[in-house]
Amino acid sequence: GEDVEQSLFLSVREGDSSVINCTYTDSSSTYLYWYKQEPGAGLQLLTYIFSNMDMKQDQRLTVLLNKKDKHLSLRIADTQTGDSAIYFCAESDTGFQKLVFGTGTRLLVSP
Amino acid sequence: GAVVSQHPSWVICKSGTSVKIECRSLDFQATTMFWYRQFPKQSLMLMATSNEGSKATYEQGVEKDKFLINHASLTLSTLTVTSAHPEDSSFYICSARVKGTPTYEQYFGPGTRLTVT
Repeated sequence: GEDVEQSLFLSVREGDSSVINCTYTDSSSTYLYWYKQEPGAGLQLLTYIFSNMDMKQDQRLTVLLNKKDKHLSLRIADTQTGDSAIYFCAESDTGFQKLVFGTGTRLLVSP
Repeated sequence: GAVVSQHPSWVICKSGTSVKIECRSLDFQATTMFWYRQFPKQSLMLMATSNEGSKATYEQGVEKDKFLINHASLTLSTLTVTSAHPEDSSFYICSARVKGTPTYEQYFGPGTRLTVT
């Protein structure tokens, strides 16, 4: 079955860049996503990338995809304290029937 | 746009009672709604997928008689936890796909925290 793994925790200083990594096993993954979850809240879609792309940039966010290694990363430039949250990567196949979420990475940004 | 609400945001109930959670798409019609469960410090696990006017599709291991899903309209889906027990305590999150837009986008509600005493 599908499996999506992330490191559990990342701590950075305000102003630094953050890089959150994700690996997945399903070779039929067509879309890969990054979601943000703040305490006690639902998930906010940050960005997504199609599997035929290598990179996508959206303001402070850069997504890199290495399809050969099934590795996805999210880089947040100039990280702010408001970026502190849990970040989930997720994947879905061509049928878009469901999202499979990673384990989540807790990002802590200190002043 | 693409706002999903859930009601209630939190609920406490006694063991053996039933609890209904609503999920509404406020400014769009949803072709499909999804129900997820999240345990503390863990990821989201899909429980079921519901399409308007048809029966929900449950994931393996999810008891359909315990977690009743009704997708009555293109803007409302409900999850009823029947005969709740303390192990049903969890954070329940719904999401919805926007009708008429790329189907790879899902928008999530703020979640409902259920505590069963």
